[in-house]
Amino acid sequence: DTQMTQSPSSLSATVGESVTITCRASQSVSNYLNWYQQKPGKAPKLLISVASNLQSGVPSRFSGRGSGTDFTLSISSLQPEDFATYYCQQSYSTPRTFGQGTRVEV
Amino acid sequence: QVQLQESGPGLLKPSATLSLTCAVSGASLTSSHYYWSWIRQAPGKEPEWIGHMFHSGFTSINPSLKTRSTISLDTSKDQFSLNINSVNAADTAVYFCASYNTAGSFFDYWGPGTLVTVSS
Repeated sequence: DTQMTQSPSSLSATVGESVTITCRASQSVSNYLNWYQQKPGKAPKLLISVASNLQSGVPSRFSGRGSGTDFTLSISSLQPEDFATYYCQQSYSTPRTFGQGTRVEV
Repeated sequence: QVQLQESGPGLLKPSATLSLTCAVSGASLTSSHYYWSWIRQAPGKEPEWIGHMFHSGFTSINPSLKTRSTISLDTSKDQFSLNINSVNAADTAVYFCASYNTAGSFFDYWGPGTLVTVSS
C-alpha cells in the first residue's frame, strides 16, 4: 500500500492568514493526488484533483502543487468557512489511500 | 448532478453481516464514467477505501477487507450494495458510498454517510 503522511496533523490560524499543508507519499504517485475538505458530520468534499486542478466552484484561494511524492495544499487568506479537516488521497495505485488529515482550527 | 444515499442497519452484533445499500440518482450505474465505491471512516480517523465496482462486473476490494467483503450492482433498482461478514468492533465507522470518476481519478460525489456500530 502507498502510505500518505500529512503534516502538520493540526494547526491553529486566524482569519486572513495563509496556511500550507504538506502531503508525502511513501512511493511516487505521479500527479494522482487529490485534496478533500471535511467538516464535522459531513462527507469529504473534493477541492483539488491531479495535484493542482481546482474543482469548479472552489474558491481560488485554494491551490495545490507537487508531483511524485511531495505535495502541498495552500490556502491564502483563510475564511471562517475554511476551518475544517483536510485530507490528501492518492489514486495512482490500489488500494486508494488517504492521509491522516490536517485539522485547521482557530 | 449525481446524488447518493446510503441505507442499512445502524447497530450490529459481533460476527453478524453488515449489509448496506446505496441509491443512485442523476447517473446510470452502467455509465463508463464511474466506479461505484464504498469508503468508511472510523471515529476520529481518516477515510478508508473499501472497494469499488464497474458496470462490467470488474471489482476491486481493499486487501485488508477482501476476504470478508463483496460489492454488487443492481441496475434495475439503480443501487449498489456492500456486504461485510463477521464484523467486529473495528468495523464501527461511518460508511459512505461515492462515485469514483474514471476520467479524473477522484471521488467526486458522496452520500451523506451512515453510522454503523458493532456492539454486543
